[in-house]
Amino acid sequence: KQEVTQIPAALSVPEGENLVLNCSFTDSAIYNLQWFRQDPGKGLTSLLLIQSSQREQTSGRLNASLDKSSGRSTLYIAASQPGDSATYLCAVSTDSNYQLIWGAGTKLIIKP
Amino acid sequence: GAVVSQHPSWVICKSGTSVKIECRSLDFQATTMFWYRQFPKQSLMLMATSNEGSKATYEQGVEKDKFLINHASLTLSTLTVTSAHPEDSSFYICSAPSGDTPYEQYFGPGTRLTVT
Repeated sequence: KQEVTQIPAALSVPEGENLVLNCSFTDSAIYNLQWFRQDPGKGLTSLLLIQSSQREQTSGRLNASLDKSSGRSTLYIAASQPGDSATYLCAVSTDSNYQLIWGAGTKLIIKP
Repeated sequence: GAVVSQHPSWVICKSGTSVKIECRSLDFQATTMFWYRQFPKQSLMLMATSNEGSKATYEQGVEKDKFLINHASLTLSTLTVTSAHPEDSSFYICSAPSGDTPYEQYFGPGTRLTVT
């Protein structure tokens, strides 16, 4: 059974720092992996999607990597800003039936 | 990118009444949609998979007679919380895959349900 773990559960860093969020999964046979952000009381915003054949994806200050063999993905945020404060969730799909398996999220606080 | 809408965005109802939440894919067709609920400070919990033209598939522990799902068209799925109770108060979110590879999921903005 696929399980997704995110470490740390919470992270607080000063503005301007680069940071890394971690996501691990137990079954390497994934279809794709998505990173989302969720602001308090709001829905989810898709940040990046990495297909199983890809190693990384970039969007602006965000870079997500994928290492299927070790069951890991990282989300790198460069030059963090207070507006980056949110909960970041990763989720994997294990086949084309679209269903996502979720991590518990990392709550990120960027201090001005 | 693709857009998924939900209506209403928030609703307050009295205990014992029923509430219907709509999930629409605005610019793409979705034969499958997913319904989640989220409690404060917790991750999303999948409730059911909504399938256009057929019965929904419910996750273990989710009462199908309490959470009625209807996927009547390729752009609309509805979740009806029947005989709502305060413990049903939660944040309900729907999602739909794009249908094209790599099957990216698009999420609605969520519906905050409060049962008094």
